[in-house]
Amino acid sequence: DVKVTQSSRYLVKRTGEKVFLECVQDMDHENMFWYRQDPGLGLRLIYFSYDVKMKEKGDIPEGYSVSREKKERFSLILESASTNQTSMYLCASTGGSGREKLFFGSGTQLSVL
Amino acid sequence: AQSVAQPEDQVNVAEGNPLTVKCTYSVSGNPYLFWYVQYPNRGLQFLLKYITGDNLVKGSYGFEAEFNKSQTSFHLKKPSALVSDSALYFCAVRVLGSGNTGKLIFGQGTTLQVKP
Repeated sequence: DVKVTQSSRYLVKRTGEKVFLECVQDMDHENMFWYRQDPGLGLRLIYFSYDVKMKEKGDIPEGYSVSREKKERFSLILESASTNQTSMYLCASTGGSGREKLFFGSGTQLSVL
Repeated sequence: AQSVAQPEDQVNVAEGNPLTVKCTYSVSGNPYLFWYVQYPNRGLQFLLKYITGDNLVKGSYGFEAEFNKSQTSFHLKKPSALVSDSALYFCAVRVLGSGNTGKLIFGQGTTLQVKP
C-alpha cells in the first residue's frame, strides 16, 4: 500500500523561526499536496506540485513556500513562523491510474509560540 | 465558485442504528465527489467516490453514498453503525478544470459519534 510519511508528528517552534515540514511518498506519484486542517474549516490547500520543481499555489499560500527537488519528497517551508500558523499540516499524494484517490500522511501538529 | 458544505458539525447515533452524514455541493457541470474519513491521530483515508453512473456508490467499511443531482447532495450512509465508525468525516469535490491532478475542495468535516 502507498505510504506517505511526514517527518514529525508534533513540532513546537518560536515566532519568527524558519520551519521545514518534510513529506515523502513511496509510490512514484506525480502529484503532491500540502493541506492545513483547522477545526470548523476543514482542509485548505496551501500548495500543490505536479512534477519535480513544479508548484502551484493553493487557496492559502501566504506565509508558506514549497520545494520539490525529488519526485518522492515535498517540503513545506514557513519562512518566518507566526502564531496564526499553529495548525495541523497534512501532506498527500496521488498519481497513476487512480490519481483521484489521495493518500495522506498522518499529519504534523505544529505549535508556534 | 465551487463549494462543499457539511451542515452538521456532529452526528450522534446509537450502535446498530443507521447513520447518515450529510453533504451538499455547488459545482458547475458534473461533479466528482468523494468521502474521506479521519480516525483519531491519523491522516485521512479514502472511503468512496462518485464519478458517473449508478447514483448509489459503495465504499470501504460498509459505507455507501447516494448522489442526488436535483438536491445537489452526496450523503454518506451506513445501515448499521459501529462504535469503531466514530471518526471525522470529510466530503470533497474535485476542482473544476484541474484535470487529473487530484485537486479537491473539502467540506468542514462532520464528527460522527457512535455510542454503545
